[in-house]
Amino acid sequence: KNQVEQSPQSLIILEGKNCTLQCNYTVSPFSNLRWYKQDTGRGPVSLTIMTFSENTKSNGRYTATLDADTKQSSLHITASQLSDSASYICVVMGNAGNNRKLIWGLGTSLAVNP
Amino acid sequence: DSGVTQTPKHLITATGQRVTLRCSPRSGDLSVYWYQQSLDQGLQFLIQYYNGEERAKGNILERFSAQQFPDLHSELNLSSLELGDSALYFCASSPGTSGYEQYFGPGTRLTVT
Repeated sequence: KNQVEQSPQSLIILEGKNCTLQCNYTVSPFSNLRWYKQDTGRGPVSLTIMTFSENTKSNGRYTATLDADTKQSSLHITASQLSDSASYICVVMGNAGNNRKLIWGLGTSLAVNP
Repeated sequence: DSGVTQTPKHLITATGQRVTLRCSPRSGDLSVYWYQQSLDQGLQFLIQYYNGEERAKGNILERFSAQQFPDLHSELNLSSLELGDSALYFCASSPGTSGYEQYFGPGTRLTVT
């Protein structure tokens, strides 16, 4: 069964600190992996999209890495800001037939405190 | 602002009732996707339409149905509502069928009492 698992489930950090969120997936064959940011009660907003050939992709203070061999991705946030408080969701798309649907992780809830 | 609009923002109704949620995609986008997000749960893909035709189906209940109209707006109909249907319902749109880049609307919060 195709799955996307994220850790930790929740995280609290102080403003200005860095943090790393993890995503493990079993979707195969694999097409691409996305990280979304979802503020409470709002729609998800795309941060990065990576295909299997990409190892790293940055979007401002957000850097995503992908290891397609171990089926792991991480999202690193540097110099966190209060506005980074949100849920970060890892989403994987397969690459064949019915597997082309997006498989959504449950997200990591990040709280950045002053 | 993603360019995707959803109405209404909030909806409160009773069990057994029927409601219709509306979504207008970004200008030029042909695909519309519907998602359900229950409290503390991940997004569950319900259904995708592309240029008026059903393209993909996810975990959509038989009590739910959707359609996409010639002007590309979409409606999600939820009937015989149960308490467990209370959730945020998101609509997303994308230019093509692959869903490579999806743009999400602000969501409709449905409360069934």
